[in-house]
Amino acid sequence: GAGVSQSPSNKVTEKGKDVELRCDPISGHTALYWYRQRLGQGLEFLIYFQGNSAPDKSGLPSDRFSAERTGESVSTLTIQRTQQEDSAVYLCASSSTGQRNNEQFFGPGTRLTVL
Amino acid sequence: AQSVTQLDSQVPVFEEAPVELRCNYSSSVSVYLFWYVQYPNQGLQLLLKYLSGSTLVKGINGFEAEFNKSQTSFHLRKPSVHISDTAEYFCAVTSGPGNQFYFGTGTSLTVIP
Repeated sequence: GAGVSQSPSNKVTEKGKDVELRCDPISGHTALYWYRQRLGQGLEFLIYFQGNSAPDKSGLPSDRFSAERTGESVSTLTIQRTQQEDSAVYLCASSSTGQRNNEQFFGPGTRLTVL
Repeated sequence: AQSVTQLDSQVPVFEEAPVELRCNYSSSVSVYLFWYVQYPNQGLQLLLKYLSGSTLVKGINGFEAEFNKSQTSFHLRKPSVHISDTAEYFCAVTSGPGNQFYFGTGTSLTVIP
């Protein structure tokens, strides 16, 4: 596709369950970001992948959160033992490392609701 | 380290009035600056960006922003707002291609008819 896609668009889960969120970046984009946006709040950085470098995990809020990326393609964000405070929209963005093309392109997000 | 400060969390303004949304950044290196807009129930989209060259950049929907290196600011302006401009606006900074982006906490613009 032409843009960043995320799946599922909505996820409702019960407290304590694990969830997996998927992001398909724009083809050729080496950088990929995950953010969390709680209701009425700004963007909270979670993790950043850049090519084959070690990811920057400094934004992950707890060890229940993890993310992987296969090469320069799909990324999955996993939240284990979900809690109600994990309810938020999870946004994925990708960007190129081209000299004048480091704009971030955002996906539509996954709205996670933990009951 | 870099950071972005958006001093105004909420800005109400009457329709057809001018508006300025403030953004200040801190960085010890050259930066690229961005403004993103998020309309209600929609994803983020790029409004405008400064990479180099002219410090006054124009974006979509009549918005513009001015990069001021001495004041480390990148304020967003529009001379006459419309109801449809009601949205959340985010300022972001990066030090260059392949580097992490840092976002501000956002400014909620509400245009009052």
